Amino acid sequence: DIQMTQSPSTLSASIGDTITVTCRASQSISSWLAWYQQKPGKAPKLLVYKASTLESGVPSTFSGSGGGTEFTLTISSLQPDDLATYYCQQYESYPPTFGGGTKVEI
Amino acid sequence: VQLVESGGGVVPPGGSLRLSCAASGLTFSNSILHWFRRAPGKGPEWVSGIGIGEAETHYADSVKGRSTISRDNARNTLYLQMNSLRDEDTAVYYCARGVHSSGRCDVFDIWGQGTAVTVSS
Repeated sequence: DIQMTQSPSTLSASIGDTITVTCRASQSISSWLAWYQQKPGKAPKLLVYKASTLESGVPSTFSGSGGGTEFTLTISSLQPDDLATYYCQQYESYPPTFGGGTKVEI
Repeated sequence: VQLVESGGGVVPPGGSLRLSCAASGLTFSNSILHWFRRAPGKGPEWVSGIGIGEAETHYADSVKGRSTISRDNARNTLYLQMNSLRDEDTAVYYCARGVHSSGRCDVFDIWGQGTAVTVSS
Protein backbone atom coordinates (compact mmCIF):
# COMPACT_ATOMS: atom_id res chain seq x y z
CA ASP A 1 0.00 0.00 0.00
CA ILE A 2 1.13 3.59 -0.61
CA GLN A 3 1.74 5.39 2.69
CA MET A 4 0.80 9.07 3.01
CA THR A 5 2.48 11.27 5.61
CA GLN A 6 1.18 14.72 6.51
CA SER A 7 2.85 17.52 8.43
CA PRO A 8 2.32 19.22 10.73
CA SER A 9 -0.26 17.24 12.68
CA THR A 10 -1.54 20.45 14.30
CA LEU A 11 -1.22 24.00 13.03
CA SER A 12 -2.12 27.13 15.01
CA ALA A 13 -2.72 30.27 12.99
CA SER A 14 -4.50 33.61 13.09
CA ILE A 15 -7.35 34.94 10.99
CA GLY A 16 -5.97 36.31 7.74
CA ASP A 17 -2.83 34.14 7.79
CA THR A 18 -1.65 32.03 4.86
CA ILE A 19 -0.94 28.45 5.92
CA THR A 20 0.60 25.46 4.19
CA VAL A 21 0.07 21.75 4.84
CA THR A 22 2.49 19.19 3.40
CA CYS A 23 1.78 15.63 2.27
CA ARG A 24 4.41 13.09 1.23
CA ALA A 25 3.80 9.78 -0.52
CA SER A 26 5.94 6.67 0.03
CA GLN A 27 6.32 6.32 -3.76
CA SER A 28 5.57 8.44 -6.79
CA ILE A 29 1.86 9.02 -7.35
CA SER A 30 2.27 11.46 -10.27
CA SER A 31 -0.49 14.05 -9.67
CA TRP A 32 -3.08 11.61 -8.29
CA LEU A 33 -3.52 13.45 -5.01
CA ALA A 34 -6.66 14.91 -3.42
CA TRP A 35 -7.27 17.11 -0.38
CA TYR A 36 -10.31 17.02 1.91
CA GLN A 37 -11.62 19.17 4.74
CA GLN A 38 -13.41 17.48 7.63
CA LYS A 39 -15.20 19.22 10.48
CA PRO A 40 -16.26 17.46 13.71
CA GLY A 41 -19.28 15.23 13.21
CA LYS A 42 -19.35 15.86 9.47
CA ALA A 43 -18.34 13.90 6.41
CA PRO A 44 -15.18 14.88 4.51
CA LYS A 45 -15.51 17.57 1.83
CA LEU A 46 -13.46 17.30 -1.36
CA LEU A 47 -11.39 20.46 -1.94
CA VAL A 48 -8.72 19.64 -4.52
CA TYR A 49 -8.04 16.73 -6.90
CA LYS A 50 -5.28 15.93 -9.35
CA ALA A 51 -2.95 17.82 -7.01
CA SER A 52 -4.06 21.30 -8.07
CA THR A 53 -7.60 21.25 -9.53
CA LEU A 54 -10.17 22.92 -7.30
CA GLU A 55 -13.44 21.03 -6.90
CA SER A 56 -16.45 23.01 -8.07
CA GLY A 57 -17.67 25.47 -5.44
CA VAL A 58 -14.46 25.52 -3.41
CA PRO A 59 -13.21 29.06 -2.71
CA SER A 60 -10.07 30.23 -4.50
CA THR A 61 -8.43 30.81 -1.11
CA PHE A 62 -7.60 27.09 -1.31
CA SER A 63 -4.87 25.91 -3.67
CA GLY A 64 -2.87 22.74 -4.17
CA SER A 65 0.50 22.08 -5.74
CA GLY A 66 3.15 19.43 -6.14
CA GLY A 67 3.74 16.13 -7.89
CA GLY A 68 5.59 12.87 -7.57
CA THR A 69 5.95 12.36 -3.84
CA GLU A 70 5.56 15.84 -2.35
CA PHE A 71 2.45 17.97 -2.28
CA THR A 72 1.13 21.06 -0.50
CA LEU A 73 -2.25 22.55 0.33
CA THR A 74 -2.24 26.30 0.87
CA ILE A 75 -5.04 28.27 2.50
CA SER A 76 -4.70 32.00 2.06
CA SER A 77 -6.52 34.61 4.14
CA LEU A 78 -7.54 32.06 6.79
CA GLN A 79 -11.14 32.41 8.01
CA PRO A 80 -12.89 31.05 11.14
CA ASP A 81 -14.86 28.65 8.92
CA ASP A 82 -11.54 27.04 7.89
CA LEU A 83 -11.17 25.49 11.37
CA ALA A 84 -11.09 21.81 10.49
CA THR A 85 -8.88 18.81 9.93
CA TYR A 86 -7.37 18.45 6.46
CA TYR A 87 -6.48 15.11 4.86
CA CYS A 88 -4.60 14.20 1.72
CA GLN A 89 -5.51 11.05 -0.24
CA GLN A 90 -3.69 9.25 -3.03
CA TYR A 91 -5.61 7.62 -5.86
CA GLU A 92 -2.73 6.32 -7.93
CA SER A 93 -3.69 2.76 -6.99
CA TYR A 94 -5.85 0.64 -4.73
CA PRO A 95 -6.28 0.86 -1.86
CA PRO A 96 -6.83 4.63 -1.73
CA THR A 97 -4.96 5.83 1.34
CA PHE A 98 -5.14 8.95 3.47
CA GLY A 99 -2.62 10.96 5.43
CA GLY A 100 -2.95 11.20 9.19
CA GLY A 101 -4.55 14.64 9.04
CA THR A 102 -3.60 18.22 9.95
CA LYS A 103 -5.79 19.96 12.49
CA VAL A 104 -5.98 23.70 11.88
CA GLU A 105 -6.68 25.74 14.97
CA ILE A 106 -7.53 29.39 14.83
CA VAL B 1 -27.85 14.94 -4.08
CA GLN B 2 -27.78 12.78 -0.95
CA LEU B 3 -26.41 9.56 0.45
CA VAL B 4 -27.98 8.23 3.66
CA GLU B 5 -26.48 5.32 5.55
CA SER B 6 -28.35 3.01 7.92
CA GLY B 7 -27.96 -0.34 9.60
CA GLY B 8 -25.34 0.46 12.21
CA GLY B 9 -25.63 -0.60 15.83
CA VAL B 10 -24.04 -2.54 18.65
CA VAL B 11 -23.02 -6.10 17.80
CA PRO B 12 -20.99 -8.68 19.77
CA PRO B 13 -17.62 -9.89 18.48
CA GLY B 14 -18.17 -12.50 15.79
CA GLY B 15 -21.53 -11.02 14.85
CA SER B 16 -22.82 -9.67 11.54
CA LEU B 17 -24.37 -6.48 10.23
CA ARG B 18 -25.63 -5.26 6.87
CA LEU B 19 -25.13 -1.57 6.22
CA SER B 20 -27.24 0.24 3.63
CA CYS B 21 -26.68 3.48 1.73
CA ALA B 22 -29.70 5.02 0.00
CA ALA B 23 -28.98 7.47 -2.79
CA SER B 24 -31.09 10.28 -4.18
CA GLY B 25 -30.50 13.06 -6.66
CA LEU B 26 -27.76 11.27 -8.60
CA THR B 27 -27.65 8.74 -11.43
CA PHE B 28 -27.10 5.76 -9.14
CA SER B 29 -26.64 3.14 -11.85
CA ASN B 30 -23.75 5.15 -13.38
CA SER B 31 -22.03 5.86 -10.07
CA ILE B 32 -18.96 4.14 -8.65
CA LEU B 33 -19.55 3.73 -4.93
CA HIS B 34 -17.39 3.08 -1.91
CA TRP B 35 -17.53 2.42 1.82
CA PHE B 36 -15.20 4.10 4.31
CA ARG B 37 -14.90 4.06 8.06
CA ARG B 38 -13.48 6.35 10.69
CA ALA B 39 -12.49 4.89 14.03
CA PRO B 40 -12.38 7.13 17.09
CA GLY B 41 -9.35 9.42 16.96
CA LYS B 42 -8.25 8.22 13.52
CA GLY B 43 -8.47 9.41 9.94
CA PRO B 44 -10.67 7.97 7.20
CA GLU B 45 -9.98 4.40 6.11
CA TRP B 46 -11.23 3.07 2.78
CA VAL B 47 -13.10 -0.23 3.21
CA SER B 48 -14.55 -1.33 -0.12
CA GLY B 49 -15.61 -0.15 -3.56
CA ILE B 50 -17.88 -1.35 -6.35
CA GLY B 51 -17.91 -0.40 -9.99
CA ILE B 52 -20.85 0.39 -12.22
CA GLY B 53 -21.02 -3.28 -13.06
CA GLU B 54 -21.18 -5.40 -9.93
CA ALA B 55 -18.39 -7.60 -11.24
CA GLU B 56 -15.75 -5.04 -10.22
CA THR B 57 -15.28 -4.97 -6.47
CA HIS B 58 -12.35 -4.04 -4.23
CA TYR B 59 -11.73 -4.66 -0.53
CA ALA B 60 -9.26 -3.46 2.06
CA ASP B 61 -7.11 -6.25 3.45
CA SER B 62 -8.61 -5.53 6.88
CA VAL B 63 -12.09 -6.69 5.78
CA LYS B 64 -11.33 -9.01 2.84
CA GLY B 65 -13.01 -12.37 3.28
CA ARG B 66 -15.35 -11.01 5.96
CA SER B 67 -17.27 -8.39 3.99
CA THR B 68 -19.29 -8.23 0.76
CA ILE B 69 -20.20 -5.05 -1.09
CA SER B 70 -23.21 -5.07 -3.41
CA ARG B 71 -25.64 -2.70 -5.07
CA ASP B 72 -29.30 -2.71 -6.10
CA ASN B 73 -29.70 -0.25 -8.94
CA ALA B 74 -33.49 -0.67 -8.92
CA ARG B 75 -33.59 0.51 -5.30
CA ASN B 76 -30.74 3.07 -5.62
CA THR B 77 -29.11 1.37 -2.64
CA LEU B 78 -25.57 0.27 -1.80
CA TYR B 79 -24.90 -2.45 0.78
CA LEU B 80 -22.04 -3.71 2.90
CA GLN B 81 -22.49 -7.10 4.54
CA MET B 82 -20.03 -7.46 7.40
CA ASN B 83 -19.41 -10.81 9.11
CA SER B 84 -17.12 -12.08 11.87
CA LEU B 85 -16.97 -8.58 13.32
CA ARG B 86 -14.02 -7.66 15.53
CA ASP B 87 -13.40 -4.94 18.11
CA GLU B 88 -11.27 -3.08 15.57
CA ASP B 89 -14.26 -2.78 13.22
CA THR B 90 -15.79 -0.26 15.64
CA ALA B 91 -16.14 2.98 13.63
CA VAL B 92 -18.51 5.32 11.87
CA TYR B 93 -19.12 3.93 8.38
CA TYR B 94 -19.67 6.23 5.43
CA CYS B 95 -20.64 5.63 1.81
CA ALA B 96 -19.28 7.91 -0.89
CA ARG B 97 -19.32 8.36 -4.65
CA GLY B 98 -16.12 7.89 -6.61
CA VAL B 99 -15.23 10.43 -9.33
CA HIS B 100 -12.28 11.97 -11.25
CA SER B 101 -10.76 8.53 -11.66
CA SER B 102 -7.06 8.07 -12.33
CA GLY B 103 -8.05 5.01 -14.35
CA ARG B 104 -7.19 2.83 -11.38
CA CYS B 105 -8.75 4.56 -8.39
CA ASP B 106 -11.01 7.49 -7.47
CA VAL B 107 -11.52 10.55 -5.33
CA PHE B 108 -14.77 10.95 -3.43
CA ASP B 109 -17.08 13.91 -3.92
CA ILE B 110 -20.38 13.02 -2.22
CA TRP B 111 -20.44 11.46 1.23
CA GLY B 112 -23.19 10.36 3.58
CA GLN B 113 -23.30 11.41 7.22
CA GLY B 114 -22.36 7.97 8.48
CA THR B 115 -23.77 5.14 10.60
CA ALA B 116 -22.04 4.03 13.78
CA VAL B 117 -20.98 0.43 14.32
CA THR B 118 -19.84 -0.67 17.76
CA VAL B 119 -18.46 -4.16 18.27
CA SER B 120 -18.70 -4.98 21.94
CA SER B 121 -19.75 -7.79 24.21
